[in-house]
Amino acid sequence: DAGITQSPRHKVTETGTPVTLRCHQTENHRYMYWYRQDPGHGLRLIHYSYGVKDTDKGEVSDGYSVSRSKTEDFLLTLESATSSQTSVYFCAIRPRGPTSEQYFGPGTRLTVT
Amino acid sequence: AQSVTQLGSHVSVSEGALVLLRCNYSSSVPPYLFWYVQYPNQGLQLLLKYTSAATLVKGINGFEAEFKKSETSFHLTKPSAHMSDAAEYFCAVSGPERGGSEKLVFGKGTKLTVNP
Repeated sequence: DAGITQSPRHKVTETGTPVTLRCHQTENHRYMYWYRQDPGHGLRLIHYSYGVKDTDKGEVSDGYSVSRSKTEDFLLTLESATSSQTSVYFCAIRPRGPTSEQYFGPGTRLTVT
Repeated sequence: AQSVTQLGSHVSVSEGALVLLRCNYSSSVPPYLFWYVQYPNQGLQLLLKYTSAATLVKGINGFEAEFKKSETSFHLTKPSAHMSDAAEYFCAVSGPERGGSEKLVFGKGTKLTVNP
């Protein structure tokens, strides 16, 4: 168990509403990531963080923002949810070192109606 | 830029048969390569990784993968499939990003079915 939790685990929301997903780690790792998983697309990187208040965009960042005010929490916000953002969202953490693997959380299933 | 291609979105084998899941990568720098497994309704779990120490890499649950630079491949194998191996498998390549973050680029996944 890599010490990662995600909340909520399931959420149904309406189009146009804001949504925030939380990733919490107990490992004190510097690097954190948000991915979305969709059938036929594998996992795609949304945003990542390389330290407190240090974040950058990934492959599919449009419509998403992130914040990291402390090491253990990485928040993903959908400012105005759309149906195309219905997906399973995974958070991951990684220790220092280029050969280190990423450890994944259990995921959040988000449905936008 | 890094990319990964997994050949075959679905693979079906009989219990006890050889498992072979194919992965080809593209990378402009020496790659670090990973195989992850995802069981239904769960997150991803690392099976094994290649970090240039040895070309044949052994992982958990009897899986192994061989790095072949000339073929830009990192295929995953297991000599004898078990029913519990039924899952989705993802190949990934890592590449350097800002701040040393080493982001992963994933293939689209291969769903393995094991028939009794």
